[in-house]
Amino acid sequence: EVYLLESGGGLVQPGGSLRLSCVASGFTFSSHAMGWVRQSPGKGLEWVSGITVSGPTTYYADSVRGRFTISRDNSKSTLYLQLNSLRAEDTAVYFCAKDRYGNVFDYPDFWGQGTLVSVSS
Amino acid sequence: DIQMTQSPSSLSASVGDRVTITCRASQGISNNLAWFQQKPGKAPKSLIYGASSLQSGVPSKFSGSGSGTDFTLTISGLQPEDLATYYCQQYNSYPLTFGGGTKVEIK
Repeated sequence: EVYLLESGGGLVQPGGSLRLSCVASGFTFSSHAMGWVRQSPGKGLEWVSGITVSGPTTYYADSVRGRFTISRDNSKSTLYLQLNSLRAEDTAVYFCAKDRYGNVFDYPDFWGQGTLVSVSS
Repeated sequence: DIQMTQSPSSLSASVGDRVTITCRASQGISNNLAWFQQKPGKAPKSLIYGASSLQSGVPSKFSGSGSGTDFTLTISGLQPEDLATYYCQQYNSYPLTFGGGTKVEIK
């Protein structure tokens, strides 16, 4: 059974940093593109970042480019998202997601339960 | 960026009804469209990819159609457990974008 467990969320002041982790199991992590999608309180879904299988190559939404960094450690079956220079508008539940197939993160066929990031002074 | 517009934003239907949700892309996306279901307080669940292919384990009461710019998600025989918000998502090009969601309520 596929399992994605996110951690690392919490309350942080504006300008602060956090590192989110997503531990995967139940599938061959190194063979799947991965990504992050967030959801602000009471709002819809927003794609944040994706990372390919090979390379790897990384992709970012304009709203986070230059502040967030996605990475993966295939030996640990773990996906990361480093969040720097956090703003109030980054407050959201961050979901880790697995791509169904292919090198690029485009169709997330399985999602973790999410971790809440709150940015407030 | 490709804008995804869903309609309606909410609907109320009776148990057993057939429900249709539409999603329109601001430019052609071929069949690179997915649908997700999100129940209150839960993570999204994948329902359909490739506009009409059912994700493994998803009941056949869910179906999708469309290509290009106009797509639909149909729920045949609405049940109380279908209470959720449904989102479309295009994956034709980056940035990946989602529709605003359709909240389905049971009368």
